[in-house]
Amino acid sequence: DGGITQSPKYLFRKEGQNVTLSCEQNLNHDAMYWYRQDPGQGLRLIYYSQIVNDFQKGDIAEGYSVSREKKESFPLTVTSAQKNPTAFYLCASIGSTNEKLFFGSGTQLSVL
Amino acid sequence: DAKTTQPPSMDCAEGRAANLPCNHSTISGNEYVYWYRQIHSQGPQYIIHGLKNNETNEMASLIITEDRKSSTLILPHATLRDTAVYYCIVRAHLSNFGNEKLTFGTGTRLTIIP
Repeated sequence: DGGITQSPKYLFRKEGQNVTLSCEQNLNHDAMYWYRQDPGQGLRLIYYSQIVNDFQKGDIAEGYSVSREKKESFPLTVTSAQKNPTAFYLCASIGSTNEKLFFGSGTQLSVL
Repeated sequence: DAKTTQPPSMDCAEGRAANLPCNHSTISGNEYVYWYRQIHSQGPQYIIHGLKNNETNEMASLIITEDRKSSTLILPHATLRDTAVYYCIVRAHLSNFGNEKLTFGTGTRLTIIP
């Protein structure tokens, strides 16, 4: 079945550590997105990518980095510069001929 | 980007129709209205979308005002499983796909009361 896979489901980060969240899709979608969600809050856009080897900052990009080396993959790195990384992270994708934004099941990141 | 505003929370009795409003007063002529919902700790799920005509599918109905500045999502017979956060967003027509910054607001937390 086609879909978006996020891993891991739960992730713990130590102080000063970089961690990478995985997002893979087999929907042949061109555009991919990363959102952050804090408890009881809405979704805030971190980064998005319309095409391989290209990406743009969203509203809260500081402390995060991404890459888009393959169409199906859009990993998010939470760097040590992100001082408050504890949140629920959601990856999404949409195709150029598809009207619907598809979401992964999310990764819960916590700080040890 | 067009912005949307929604009430932060609503209650609805089980079996009744749930009507969720959304204001999008700065919507452009080529922007669609989309609705998603998010059940706790899951990824949001697509519900319905429309441009200017009313739309209905197996999940819900979407009523868009004639001036397109607001819309209402209707869940005709709400069940306990409809308890979720509902997001209304606007996005450009597919022909503009290429540099689309999709942003969500804080949504409406709908609670279905038994």
